[in-house]
Amino acid sequence: QKEVEQNSGPLSVPEGAIASLNCTYSDRGSQSFFWYRQYSGKSPELIMFIYSNGDKEDGRFTAQLNKASQYVSLLIRDSQPSDSATYLCAVKDTGGFKTIFGAGTRLFVKA
Amino acid sequence: DAGVTQSPTHLIKTRGQQVTLRCSPKSGHDTVSWYQQALGQGPQFIFQYYEEEERQRGNFPDRFSGHQFPNYSSELNVNALLLGDSALYLCASSSLQGSDEQYFGPGTRLTVT
Repeated sequence: QKEVEQNSGPLSVPEGAIASLNCTYSDRGSQSFFWYRQYSGKSPELIMFIYSNGDKEDGRFTAQLNKASQYVSLLIRDSQPSDSATYLCAVKDTGGFKTIFGAGTRLFVKA
Repeated sequence: DAGVTQSPTHLIKTRGQQVTLRCSPKSGHDTVSWYQQALGQGPQFIFQYYEEEERQRGNFPDRFSGHQFPNYSSELNVNALLLGDSALYLCASSSLQGSDEQYFGPGTRLTVT
């Protein structure tokens, strides 16, 4: 059973701090990795995707991928109260078409 | 550019009934995936449709079935509803010709009583 693991949190950070969210996956052959943000009662919103080892930056968000360690992370710089949400890590299944999601990490940014 | 749309927004059904949920993909997308999200969980893959065929199915019983139309829109049907089918049902679209990114619709909240 291929899995994606995340710390459920909640992770609480003060406004302006860096929030660090982590994810591990079991399928060593996975090539595509995604971070979604989900506000309470809403659907997931794609915020980052990464396919190569290393860092990928987009505004205040940085995704980091280490395929050897089967580890993906998301850094949110200058965290804002509006960043308070559940962050879902998702991994594309090798050889198939489905995307496997973690259970999500709840982030609270305190003003 | 229209995003993914789903209908209805909310639905209340009784055990044993049948339900049909609908999805229209983002403009330019040809692939539709359906997910079930229970409270406090991540989305669970139900199945994916491309070219009007089911390409892959997750670990869901045959009570869950689907269809894709020539205009790429899709339906999810659930028969013999159980209380445990209460969840947020999400449709996500993507393009076979593009990257692997999927974009979700607003979801349908199904409550089975």
